[in-house]
Amino acid sequence: GIQVEQSPPDLILQEGANSTLRCNFSDSVNNLQWFHQNPWGQLINLFYIPSGTKQNGRLSATTVATERYSLLYISSSQTTDSGVYFCAVAASGGSNYKLTFGKGTLLTVNP
Amino acid sequence: GAGVSQSPRYKVAKRGQDVALRCDPISGHVSLFWYQQALGQGPEFLTYFQNEAQLDKSGLPSDRFFAERPEGSVSTLKIQRTQQEDSAVYLCASSLNRRDRQGSGGNTIYFGEGSWLTVV
Repeated sequence: GIQVEQSPPDLILQEGANSTLRCNFSDSVNNLQWFHQNPWGQLINLFYIPSGTKQNGRLSATTVATERYSLLYISSSQTTDSGVYFCAVAASGGSNYKLTFGKGTLLTVNP
Repeated sequence: GAGVSQSPRYKVAKRGQDVALRCDPISGHVSLFWYQQALGQGPEFLTYFQNEAQLDKSGLPSDRFFAERPEGSVSTLKIQRTQQEDSAVYLCASSLNRRDRQGSGGNTIYFGEGSWLTVV
């Protein structure tokens, strides 16, 4: 099956700093989503982005499908951004609903 | 409610006990998913429904796991004769399954808060 690698595994920032999280995947995809899992376990959908670039406030994401990676940018980080960020993909030619998740990036934003 | 609702939020079961986990998806969402998340890992796919039809159950780890969605809305994940390795968070998610107004694609999925199962 498709492999999803996220980096870095852990990231510690001071409030106000910017960061870039990366997701590499091993095959072409027709579905890619970024999620934030807060400390209480709730998974929040950030972006549906199988290709292209999107922005939502301080967050933006870019997927370069031909090179099999996606980036999540967090600007002016806040303590509430802490948690685990997951990238999840579904391989083209397969079931586009069946997401494979990476292991996540644990982000800690200190005040 | 506006989001995906799951119950119970926390369940402690004795080994060998049967458990039932409920999911109430977002109203009007055609697709419903169950995922299992072990501590420190990403969620793993269990099963998928489109309306009342279970189209994919390839992720269910054993025949002790059973899911249903008889009327195409609420779903129940049942685990029979629970084992310690079943301890995990069980996440339900739903999606519209058609392009929405924001153009984000009908595949955008929304998760519930999860049911935390501990088998002792």
